[in-house]
Amino acid sequence: KAGVTQTPRYLIKTRGQQVTLSCSPISGHRSVSWYQQTPGQGLQFLFEYFSETQRNKGNFPGRFSGRQFSNSRSEMNVSTLELGDSALYLCASSLSGAGADTQYFGPGTRLTVL
Amino acid sequence: GEDVEQSLFLSVREGDSSVINCTYTDSSSTYLYWYKQEPGAGLQLLTYIFSNMDMKQDQRLTVLLNKKDKHLSLRIADTQTGDSAIYFCAERGKTGANNLFFGTGTRLTVIP
Repeated sequence: KAGVTQTPRYLIKTRGQQVTLSCSPISGHRSVSWYQQTPGQGLQFLFEYFSETQRNKGNFPGRFSGRQFSNSRSEMNVSTLELGDSALYLCASSLSGAGADTQYFGPGTRLTVL
Repeated sequence: GEDVEQSLFLSVREGDSSVINCTYTDSSSTYLYWYKQEPGAGLQLLTYIFSNMDMKQDQRLTVLLNKKDKHLSLRIADTQTGDSAIYFCAERGKTGANNLFFGTGTRLTVIP
């Protein structure tokens, strides 16, 4: 079974631009979560989608948004990019997010904001 | 909120055992996880433990959970150079929410 895939793997943007990252979960997984990883703040939860609905949200500004499609693929969008948004963005999928369900991570998208 | 702490660095000699420690604060955590991250890669799930267990063994990996002290450890037996990586412990969010709270990560260096 194919793992979680994320595209693109690397992105360079400038301040003020917006960016869209994509995540394809493991086949059959319906929950997709996004995390931001930076050297200073570590790994932080952004949000989780399940059945096309945002189910949980971390403590990030409204510039960070996401969505999920009917095939469970998910995108996250960051508008008005700031230098501090430079990070590795990780997507994780799980079957339903309940009980002993575990999250499997993709390789990440490394975003650099200049 | 949840606070998960780990020591930042650990060095061991090849063939020795490694023990990576983690403390957490949310006593309602139901599941605790260990992930491995190699340079330039995402997170690889190593193992997890349910909060009503105190030990879980999986080949070279042993997880110990002391719920009273909110202390979790990962022991890697016969550590190999390929085990060099950053190891993260994580606890599941409150009320079973599907978000993980991660520790700072422990960088394990295996010396040949």
